[in-house]
Amino acid sequence: GQSLEQPSEVTAVEGAIVQINCTYQTSGFYGLSWYQQHDGGAPTFLSYNGLDGLEETGRFSSFLSRSDSYGYLLLQELQMKDSASYFCAVSDQAGTALIFGKGTTLSVSS
Amino acid sequence: EAGVTQFPSHSVIEKGQTVTLRCDPISGHDNLYWYRRVMGKEIKFLLHFVKESKQDESGMPNNRFLAERTGGTYSTLKVQPAELEDSGVYFCASSPVGSAYEQYFGPGTRLTVT
Repeated sequence: GQSLEQPSEVTAVEGAIVQINCTYQTSGFYGLSWYQQHDGGAPTFLSYNGLDGLEETGRFSSFLSRSDSYGYLLLQELQMKDSASYFCAVSDQAGTALIFGKGTTLSVSS
Repeated sequence: EAGVTQFPSHSVIEKGQTVTLRCDPISGHDNLYWYRRVMGKEIKFLLHFVKESKQDESGMPNNRFLAERTGGTYSTLKVQPAELEDSGVYFCASSPVGSAYEQYFGPGTRLTVT
């Protein structure tokens, strides 16, 4: 079977740093993506890791370790608007559909 | 550049009725995907078009679901007859060739079957 595990909820305060972990078990692996979803709306692409290591995009960074089947999304300088659901998703082959985790609800308080 | 659009935004139908969902991808995107999120569950893949061809329909639940992509542009997803368990949010996404990991999602259609 194919599965992605991520925490269901995370809470933090403004200005803090949060790390959302994702472990995966899939029949194939091409890369790990992260998506953000506000209030059940359209998921929005945040980051992608095709190779091991860290990818940085502004306040967001994502990390991948293929040998550990593990990745994380790091959110820095948290803002209230970062309160949302965050999904890790695996591409099991090039050009194919995404396999999503159940999502992590991040709540940022002042 | 217009994003992915979906119609309708909400649909409430009775069990046994038919519903057709429409998705207009971003212009020029050959890849088009349908996903579904049932309450409390993960977003699950339904099927994938490359232009007008079905590349992968392994996620389609059963033969009550029929998807088409006429001329490689917009796509429709028909559910006939609808069952209670079909309720959920149906998302459409598109991506250009070679960039399947970065998919652009539409706002979704919330389907409620009563």
